[in-house]
Amino acid sequence: GAGVSQSPRYKVAKRGQDVALRCDPISGHVSLFWYQQALGQGPEFLTYFQNEAQLDKSGLPSDRFFAERPEGSVSTLKIQRTQQEDSAVYLCASRERGLNTEAFFGQGTRLTVV
Amino acid sequence: AQSVTQPDIHITVSEGASLELRCNYSYGATPYLFWYVQSPGQGLQLLLKYFSGDTLVQGIKGFEAEFKRSQSSFNLRKPSVHWSDAAEYFCAVGAGTGTASKLTFGTGTRLQVTL
Repeated sequence: GAGVSQSPRYKVAKRGQDVALRCDPISGHVSLFWYQQALGQGPEFLTYFQNEAQLDKSGLPSDRFFAERPEGSVSTLKIQRTQQEDSAVYLCASRERGLNTEAFFGQGTRLTVV
Repeated sequence: AQSVTQPDIHITVSEGASLELRCNYSYGATPYLFWYVQSPGQGLQLLLKYFSGDTLVQGIKGFEAEFKRSQSSFNLRKPSVHWSDAAEYFCAVGAGTGTASKLTFGTGTRLQVTL
């Protein structure tokens, strides 16, 4: 596609519910990142994939957060037993192989936990 | 660990006036610096980046930024602001230039433009 696509754009979940957020990166981009952006804050790194390998998950806030990219393209961020503090915009970004390349961001998924 | 500080939470300027948004970073090695813009409900769009070379970098939409190593700063400037520039601006530092480089963002500066 022309850009990074994320779905759904908006998600309302009841506390305790599981959610899955999808990211379609730009075709051919090997690197994929997930960021969490709380209201009024800058994005914060969650996790990084190179192709299908999850090489860095140091930013995941708890073991309720899980991400996968099984075929090296589409990625899913799953949050189990959602809590109110999980409410945020979740941004996905992808980069092509090489140095000095730009990260392209999707429009994000706004998650509201009620 | 790297960090970014954007001291100004909110700035208001008149259309046609000049603009400077401040950014200070903390990083132990050569920093790779970025400015992104985010309009309401939108993702982040890259305005410009600094990897090496000339410390004055030009970006899209008439923006420029200057890297000053002695001040650990990377301030964003525009000589004449347009009403469409109203948005949230984020400064970020990357740990490297490779495809694995994750970004650390500041908390952002919201720009309001008055007509």
